[in-house]
Amino acid sequence: AQSVTQLGSHVSVSEGALVLLRCNYSSSVPPYLFWYVQYPNQGLQLLLKYTSAATLVKGINGFEAEFKKSETSFHLTKPSAHMSDAAEYFCAVSPMEYGNKLVFGAGTILRVKS
Amino acid sequence: DTGVSQNPRHKITKRGQNVTFRCDPISEHNRLYWYRQTLGQGPEFLTYFQNEAQLEKSRLLSDRFSAERPKGSFSTLEIQRTEQGDSAMYLCASSLASGWDTEAFFGQGTRLTVV
Repeated sequence: AQSVTQLGSHVSVSEGALVLLRCNYSSSVPPYLFWYVQYPNQGLQLLLKYTSAATLVKGINGFEAEFKKSETSFHLTKPSAHMSDAAEYFCAVSPMEYGNKLVFGAGTILRVKS
Repeated sequence: DTGVSQNPRHKITKRGQNVTFRCDPISEHNRLYWYRQTLGQGPEFLTYFQNEAQLEKSRLLSDRFSAERPKGSFSTLEIQRTEQGDSAMYLCASSLASGWDTEAFFGQGTRLTVV
């Protein structure tokens, strides 16, 4: 079964600093991987997705993620944090079964300090 | 395109009561998913429909839970004889049935509190 582990339930950075949110996956086949963001009292919004076309994936709001098969990782980064980036971020994997349901990690809450 | 709509946004109910939530997906989307999210956890898959057919149910979905999508458009999720452990955010998502990388669009969720 496929699974996702997000290291660090809370991450705190200063405004303008690098954001690094960690995600490791477990999969017996090449996975499809996603990062979603959730603002308070909101649904999930797709930031970016990896579908094997390119290992470095660029998403919305300046975020990007790099797929590293050797490390089974898909970490999310942003060069310079903005106050509006404060939210909860979820890494997810698609088991590639009929139905496209997603398996999510536990989430990482990002706090941005001024 | 108004996005995925869920109603109500919040529901407080007494233990033992029945509750029903509604999800209106994006109009052209033929797949509809229900997820449950508890505090400090990521969303967990409950069930999904392709058109009106319920094709998969998670073992998390006890007999007290039932979901329908009668005409392949909106869906309802009913919880009978609610328990305190049912308190959670219930998320609905919709997508087109195509490749494995198809994006799922999520609603804002219904937050259920069982007292």
